[in-house]
Amino acid sequence: DAGVIQSPRHEVTEMGQEVTLRCKPISGHNSLFWYRQTMMRGLELLIYFNNNVPIDDSGMPEDRFSAKMPNASFSTLKIQPSEPRDSAVYFCASSLTRGGGEKLFFGSGTQLSVL
Amino acid sequence: GNSVTQMEGPVTLSEEAFLTINCTYTATGYPSLFWYVQYPGEGLQLLLKATKADDKGSNKGFEATYRKETTSFHLEKGSVQVSDSAVYFCALSDNDYKLSFGAGTTVTVRA
Repeated sequence: DAGVIQSPRHEVTEMGQEVTLRCKPISGHNSLFWYRQTMMRGLELLIYFNNNVPIDDSGMPEDRFSAKMPNASFSTLKIQPSEPRDSAVYFCASSLTRGGGEKLFFGSGTQLSVL
Repeated sequence: GNSVTQMEGPVTLSEEAFLTINCTYTATGYPSLFWYVQYPGEGLQLLLKATKADDKGSNKGFEATYRKETTSFHLEKGSVQVSDSAVYFCALSDNDYKLSFGAGTTVTVRA
């Protein structure tokens, strides 16, 4: 299996622009997670989907952030409008079981820079 | 709430040195504990885990023992290699999906 695939690997944009991050989970995995990694706050869970349904979005910072999972093989994380403080590495992860923990597989991340 | 505190880095070692990364946790229940590793340019991957007190997780020469009395899960390796250079994250989960991560410890092993 190719693992969790994220695109783009790097994104540089200007403040105010819309940013869309993409994720393809491992085939057959039924749980999907979006994390954000920054020096100041470490790794934060933004949102968790199970069977394509958002279960916990309490980590989504504000209304500028939205995430969708239209089918089992694709998810997006959108930021609109983007701000410099959104600069971070965004990870997508997937899991075979309803739980995460040891069965969590991470993608390589998207490095986002908002100027 | 749940939290994980890790030894601050960066840590720089010579090959074949002994490595210890301290990790302590705060949790309301009986969490499962994990160490994840992040190699340069990659996502995190599970290194080892322990699900109950006194369990020892091990993988690739790394070990960690779940110590409930000291709420700790320290990571150790007896003889590190250059290929062990990475960022190491301690994490806990006390429910079926949410992981709480530590801040990460950067380890650099020099030849």
